[in-house]
Amino acid sequence: AQSVTQPDIHITVSEGASLELRCNYSYGATPYLFWYVQSPGQGLQLLLKYFSGDTLVQGIKGFEAEFKRSQSSFNLRKPSVHWSDAAEYFCAVGARGGADGLTFGKGTHLIIQP
Amino acid sequence: GAVVSQHPSRVICKSGTSVKIECRSLDFQATTMFWYRQFPKQSLMLMATSNEGSKATYEQGVEKDKFLINHASLTLSTLTVTSAHPEDSSFYICSARSGQVLYGYTFGSGTRLTVV
Repeated sequence: AQSVTQPDIHITVSEGASLELRCNYSYGATPYLFWYVQSPGQGLQLLLKYFSGDTLVQGIKGFEAEFKRSQSSFNLRKPSVHWSDAAEYFCAVGARGGADGLTFGKGTHLIIQP
Repeated sequence: GAVVSQHPSRVICKSGTSVKIECRSLDFQATTMFWYRQFPKQSLMLMATSNEGSKATYEQGVEKDKFLINHASLTLSTLTVTSAHPEDSSFYICSARSGQVLYGYTFGSGTRLTVV
């Protein structure tokens, strides 16, 4: 069965500083990989996804993620965070067949310091 | 882009009553819809997968008689929480996917269910 680990429950970053959120997955092959953001009481917004090809994926709001097969990782990065980036971030993995739903990590709560 | 509408956004119901939550894909045909449950400050847990015109597939530990899922058309899936109890209080989120996986999974805005 697939699984996702987000080792950081909370991360605090100063506004304007760079950000990296970690994500490791367990899956028998190369999965589909996703990063979603959730504001309190809201649904999920897709930041970016990786299916194949270039391992550096660009997303919305200035986010990017890099797929590293050797490390089973798909870390999310942003060069300069804004106060509006404060939210919950979820990494998710999907099976190649697409028949199943997504398996989510436990999430990382991002706090932005002024 | 793909949009999924979920209603209601919040609902409060009395213990023992049933609640229906709707999930609609507005601009694409959702061959598959997924229902997730999220407890406060926790991750999303997949409850069930539904394909249009067929019975839903429930994840282990999810009571199919309590959480009735109907996917009667390519744009609508419903989740009915039957005989709701306070422990069913949670945030429920639906997700829809078209036949092409490359479009990814689009999520609704969620429904906060409170059973009193």
